[in-house]
Amino acid sequence: AQSVSQHNHHVILSEAASLELGCNYSYGGTVNLFWYVQYPGQHLQLLLKYFSGDPLVKGIKGFEAEFIKSKFSFNLRKPSVQWSDTAEYFCAVNQDSNYQLIWGAGTKLIIKP
Amino acid sequence: DTGVSQDPRHKITKRGQNVTFRCDPISEHNRLYWYRQTLGQGPEFLTYFQNEAQLEKSRLLSDRFSAERPKGSFSTLEIQRTEQGDSAMYLCASNGHTGELFFGEGSRLTVL
Repeated sequence: AQSVSQHNHHVILSEAASLELGCNYSYGGTVNLFWYVQYPGQHLQLLLKYFSGDPLVKGIKGFEAEFIKSKFSFNLRKPSVQWSDTAEYFCAVNQDSNYQLIWGAGTKLIIKP
Repeated sequence: DTGVSQDPRHKITKRGQNVTFRCDPISEHNRLYWYRQTLGQGPEFLTYFQNEAQLEKSRLLSDRFSAERPKGSFSTLEIQRTEQGDSAMYLCASNGHTGELFFGEGSRLTVL
């Protein structure tokens, strides 16, 4: 069965630290890849997505992610986090012709001021 | 606001009662999804519609759950004879021709 793994369930960083959140998926075909963010008390919103083309994708708020097909990975990065990045981050994947998203369990990120 | 809206935002009910949630998707979106989310987990797929047709239902969706989208616009999710295990956030999302989902704020269900 297809699955998405987010290895870090909780991450605590200080402001200005660099961030990398891992995401691995188990499907071998063509995939679309997403990172969603859920700020405290708010709904899920899209951070960035990859469908095709340049495997380094830039999203909102300074986030980026790199699709490495050989590693089945789509890690999320930010060079310098802010307190306002405190949120839960979800990686999600779907097949090219099927919009059904498979979700990771999420990573809770806490940024210490 | 032209995003996805859900109502009610929070529902507290007693075990055994029926509850219904409503979702109004973004107007030009033809696909509508229902998910359930519990603490510490990602969204769990329940069902989805393309226009008024319900195309897929999760095997996790018991017979107590039913969803409709009668005119291809808003959708309702009904849970009959609620159980404490149904307590969760019920999320609605919609998308058009891209893979990006737009989520509503969710309806939180608490079953006492």
